[in-house]
Amino acid sequence: QKEVEQNSGPLSVPEGAIASLNCTYSDRGSQSFFWYRQYSGKSPELIMSIYSNGDKEDGRFTAQLNKASQYVSLLIRDSQPSDSATYLCAVRGQNFVFGPGTRLSVLP
Amino acid sequence: DTEVTQTPKHLVMGMTNKKSLKCEQHMGHRAMYWYKQKAKKPPELMFVYSYEKLSINESVPSRFSPECPNSSLLNLHLHALQPEDSALYLCASSQEGQTIQETQYFGPGTRLLVL
Repeated sequence: QKEVEQNSGPLSVPEGAIASLNCTYSDRGSQSFFWYRQYSGKSPELIMSIYSNGDKEDGRFTAQLNKASQYVSLLIRDSQPSDSATYLCAVRGQNFVFGPGTRLSVLP
Repeated sequence: DTEVTQTPKHLVMGMTNKKSLKCEQHMGHRAMYWYKQKAKKPPELMFVYSYEKLSINESVPSRFSPECPNSSLLNLHLHALQPEDSALYLCASSQEGQTIQETQYFGPGTRLLVL
């Protein structure tokens, strides 16, 4: 079982819709969870971090964490074409591990 | 200032060349990282320095040699690379490398092509 799993996509949503990105992890001792956005040919850029169960909102982004289910998600409201990128879930437990990323495409 | 800088942006080298990648941060971070990223894959951790000491080496071949001259600088020395080493090399830094809630900040990367 891979340490961090994500659907590779592409996930296509129309402009203005909600994009929902999911991530599961295997290390129950993981404490910190991060979402990075990476445009093609660029470096990862931190979008959100979350450490406690529940929701955390920042502008159009909401991160959700459920440690019992070992599940973390990212919701993007009012999706824009500029949100089209690969979204990497990263989990810090014993190590800092990236998931394979989900490619999001927001269609105008 | 949350900037991590890397030079050069692009590098083309032959298999017999010796070159170095450079990374710099002025955020007072004490942990610095090298990652390798192939196309359409996530970053893979190579090395971690914490307080200028190598703390993690993820079984990286010896043709990659990291160096941390001081807490702001991180180098990656390259020698006798193979074409399959062509990738985007990312540097990152975080506050200490030991706190569970730390965020890593990434530099823009060096795109390396080995001929």
